[in-house]
Amino acid sequence: DAKTTQPPSMDCAEGRAANLPCNHSTISGNEYVYWYRQIHSQGPQYIIHGLKNNETNEMASLIITEDRKSSTLILPHATLRDTAVYYCIARGGSARQLTFGSGTQLTVLP
Amino acid sequence: DAGITQSPRHKVTETGTPVTLRCHQTENHRYMYWYRQDPGHGLRLIHYSYGVKDTDKGEVSDGYSVSRSKTEDFLLTLESATSSQTSVYFCAISESIRDSNQPQHFGDGTRLSIL
Repeated sequence: DAKTTQPPSMDCAEGRAANLPCNHSTISGNEYVYWYRQIHSQGPQYIIHGLKNNETNEMASLIITEDRKSSTLILPHATLRDTAVYYCIARGGSARQLTFGSGTQLTVLP
Repeated sequence: DAGITQSPRHKVTETGTPVTLRCHQTENHRYMYWYRQDPGHGLRLIHYSYGVKDTDKGEVSDGYSVSRSKTEDFLLTLESATSSQTSVYFCAISESIRDSNQPQHFGDGTRLSIL
């Protein structure tokens, strides 16, 4: 799986959009970009994934650049409950496991 | 949320004792995984299963065994627990292992302390 790079921490005001960046400059053509989050003491929670098109679901939007070297996870209206560590993962082929990096600690401020 | 139940949620035991952790799913997914999470190491795959009675080793399988006699249950056993196995253990499930378009979904974990 391609290496991903994320900022270690970010703050966001409650009610505002949270935009979390991820760099995956060595991603290969068959690797999907996955986003998970982990709230303290809970299991990782799947958020969204995509290959090259932008994706949206009830939780978030995923914007992938045309060259696929970076992506942004958007939480449109962040709440205090969105405070968590967010992980960006590039996964492809027959990879059995998900490789979680250090992630971004997002803190939503009241 | 995916129907995954891990039991027990917390356990404290002594070095040298056997320990079995259970993962139960109600999604009828074929693939199941056991990970451990430790500070500074992220999540590491211990074992995974690709069907009833079909299992394989992951990155950190030494000291662990698994069994899957039913689609819905995946057991992780520490035959003789050691302090280095103190960790948080997560079970995950997915519909496919080779299709990278299928996400893994995780349980809430078992916090295991070995004294």
